[in-house]
Amino acid sequence: QTVVTQEPSFSVSPGGTVTLTCGLSSGSVSTSHYPSWYQQTPGQAPRTLIYTTNTRSSGVPDRFSGSILGNKAALTITGAQADDESDYYCVLYMSRGWVFGGGTKLTVL
Amino acid sequence: EVQLVESGGGLVQPGGSLRLSCAASGFTFNSYWMSWVRQAPGKGLEWVASIKQDGSETYYVDSVKGRFTISRDNAENSLYVQMNSLRAEDTAVYYCANQRRWAFDIWGQGTMVTVSS
Repeated sequence: QTVVTQEPSFSVSPGGTVTLTCGLSSGSVSTSHYPSWYQQTPGQAPRTLIYTTNTRSSGVPDRFSGSILGNKAALTITGAQADDESDYYCVLYMSRGWVFGGGTKLTVL
Repeated sequence: EVQLVESGGGLVQPGGSLRLSCAASGFTFNSYWMSWVRQAPGKGLEWVASIKQDGSETYYVDSVKGRFTISRDNAENSLYVQMNSLRAEDTAVYYCANQRRWAFDIWGQGTMVTVSS
């Protein structure tokens, strides 16, 4: 059973830069997994941030960026703002199905 | 306005059945794969099932195979999931989402399913 791994929590200062990662319990993440990223605040539906590794969804500010870093997918937030405090999920396409990571709770303080 | 609206959630006993619906508007429904994603209380997101534009292909997470059936009616711009043999671990908010380029693009607000006696 393949597990998609994310940091459970992360903290960033306002105005700072943070990189969240999305890995595999076995193997490397590549563009063939079409990694995508989602932001979710409590009680709300997820919001799509990034798809196919590094393409920003409509209306997403350019301080959110996606990439492959080493053997993981990565979401970088540059110039963090207070309303970036949310849960962030990645998902990977795994041959006829998708697997979400457990999510990262980002605190901005 | 692009919109997905889920309905049909509620309280059901273990072993029971429920059918969720998702009404789409504001985009060309029959051009997109569609999916269901769920989130158990206090937990993360879990992909449940996806269906191709014409309904000819469907995929499921292992935990629901043989119990859930995803379907769609392109004439009605609607997505469905028939859930049978429900278990306590199926308790979750169920979201429908359209898919674009192997990602989940537009999300509904979700409908809550509670499986409990």
